[in-house]
Amino acid sequence: NAGVTQTPKFRILKIGQSMTLQCTQDMNHNYMYWYRQDPGMGLKLIYYSVGAGITDKGEVPNGYNVSRSTTEDFPLRLELAAPSQTSVYFCASRGGTGGGGEQYFGPGTRLTVT
Amino acid sequence: DAKTTQPTSMDCAEGRAANLPCNHSTISGNEYVYWYRQIHSQGPQYIIHGLKNNETNEMASLIITEDRKSSTLILPHATLRDTAVYYCIVKGWGKLQFGAGTQVVVTP
Repeated sequence: NAGVTQTPKFRILKIGQSMTLQCTQDMNHNYMYWYRQDPGMGLKLIYYSVGAGITDKGEVPNGYNVSRSTTEDFPLRLELAAPSQTSVYFCASRGGTGGGGEQYFGPGTRLTVT
Repeated sequence: DAKTTQPTSMDCAEGRAANLPCNHSTISGNEYVYWYRQIHSQGPQYIIHGLKNNETNEMASLIITEDRKSSTLILPHATLRDTAVYYCIVKGWGKLQFGAGTQVVVTP
């Protein structure tokens, strides 16, 4: 199993540009998550999904959109990039059907908006 | 979900046990204690979790006090590769909420 994979690893965007961060998991997990991590800080939840076709907002959803058309993929879309979105973005997935269980994280995408 | 309090940083000598404390005095009866770690520039890695009993796996041991208001993560024989930020998270049905964690530096 590859686990959780994310592309790209690095990206530099100009203010106002848009991009999609890709996340794929091969563990057949129902739950998937997007976090951002600013320097020296903990992770903050952006969006999450409990299964294909179902998504919901996390703590910091403004400026982002997600979709979940398949179990495997959970792309994160940035529209009109702003310097405040400079961060490291982590995707995660979790199996099971309840509230517990460990999350598996991808290697992250480092995004700079200038 | 309950908040947690961890020391900002701690050092540990290679080969010695590392004992990482966490306070969670407002924990509810159905909330678990989770530990994750994040090695520099990588995604967080799950270590262990528990409800009320002590737990052990191949990575670490988790000791939870009887009143469940605090816990200790024990890395039995720390190596240089254990240098990381360690997060203690209390979670019920809600989402994982990461605080600032404890920066652990293992020195030779």
